[in-house]
Amino acid sequence: DIQMTQSPASLSASVGETVTITCGASENIYGALNWYQRKQGKSPQLLIYGATNLADGMSSRFSGSGSGRQYSLKISSLHPDDVATYYCQNVLSTPYTFGGGTKLEIK
Amino acid sequence: QIQLVQSGPELKKPGETVKISCKASGYTFTDYSMHWVKQAPGKGLKWMGWINTETGEPTYADDFKGRFAFSLETSASTAYLQINNLKNEDTATYFCARWRDDGYLFDYWGQGTTLTVSS
Repeated sequence: DIQMTQSPASLSASVGETVTITCGASENIYGALNWYQRKQGKSPQLLIYGATNLADGMSSRFSGSGSGRQYSLKISSLHPDDVATYYCQNVLSTPYTFGGGTKLEIK
Repeated sequence: QIQLVQSGPELKKPGETVKISCKASGYTFTDYSMHWVKQAPGKGLKWMGWINTETGEPTYADDFKGRFAFSLETSASTAYLQINNLKNEDTATYFCARWRDDGYLFDYWGQGTTLTVSS
């Protein structure tokens, strides 16, 4: 099984700042990496697919990058509405494992 | 509009059985497979497996083989997750999610069903 490791597990940043969340895979997943945003009390929502593609309706302040085993999610100009837990997911092969999540808070 | 609507919260005792439903609307049910995801309290998301909505064939992640069963009622555009011989560690929120083959992604999720297993 492909293991997904996210860091940091939590972070706190101020409105307007830029933050980066990283996700490492235990093997090359060739860009088959999605990011989901889960707000408190809501279902997860697709944010980025195929490592770099912004999902329909999501803010362009979110961007994804990476290849091989290392990926990152950048959130620019933080808004209070960005408070959520962010998950990466391997979709190269089953089981479609998720990272442990990164909980983002606003200072 | 496309929706996945899950059944309501459940409170069960260890050893009992639960069946959670996920009713799809707004699209052709058999065009997309349905996946299930678990989130235990304070934990992350865990992929449980999926069911082919054309054939009814289920596939389970290793940790969900044995007591877990995915099924369909295609005429009602509904997918089910049944958990037998419930254990305390089954306490979690369970999500159904529609898988899109072109893109390899979950594009719609149910609202989640909270299951509490307690004696």
